[in-house]
Amino acid sequence: NAGVMQNPRHLVRRRGQEARLRCSPMKGHSHVYWYRQLPEEGLKFMVYLQKENIIDESGMPKERFSAEFPKEGPSILRIQQVVRGDSAAYFCASSPARQGKVGLYGYTFGSGTRLTVV
Amino acid sequence: EDKVVQSPLSLVVHEGDTVTLNCSYEVTNFRSLLWYKQEKKAPTFLFMLTSSGIEKKSGRLSSILDKKELSSILNITATQTGDSAIYLCAVQETSGSRLTFGEGTQLTVNP
Repeated sequence: NAGVMQNPRHLVRRRGQEARLRCSPMKGHSHVYWYRQLPEEGLKFMVYLQKENIIDESGMPKERFSAEFPKEGPSILRIQQVVRGDSAAYFCASSPARQGKVGLYGYTFGSGTRLTVV
Repeated sequence: EDKVVQSPLSLVVHEGDTVTLNCSYEVTNFRSLLWYKQEKKAPTFLFMLTSSGIEKKSGRLSSILDKKELSSILNITATQTGDSAIYLCAVQETSGSRLTFGEGTQLTVNP
């Protein structure tokens, strides 16, 4: 069981470019969550998705950010026209299909993608 | 809006010491409280505490939930340098699956 796989581990983008972050959930998990961790801050919820469905995007910035979880393939977090303030660690987590409950063992987190905007 | 506050923000101890990390929360409809350990990368799950399971223990780590005081503590006895990490507390509401995290406590255990 490979766990939650995120790539790339590190991503450097110039201001104005696009960043694409990928997350493959654990085998058998159909719920994916994205969190952002700014320097010196805790994890902040961004979006919760199931296959082909956005369930809760209340933590997503209104502009430039989007997420998807297609029927086939990984979940993608896309940031358009990146700015310096987007520099952060972006973590993906997954959980089994239990109607959104985190389950007995919480989420399983991936190792994160560290985005640096220069 | 849900709120989670952890204290202290930073703690430095010597190997063998016992530490207590604190977490207090404000949440509308509480479902569970979770503790995670974060070293250089992915947060790893430690405990989940709910109304029906207010005390958990695993080796040198233990945690208690105080629903009356809206708080939890994480105890680590006989600390080791490998315990050095950020310890994150999070709460979940009944209405959804998102977790609201505190800022974390940075624990450093010196030899």
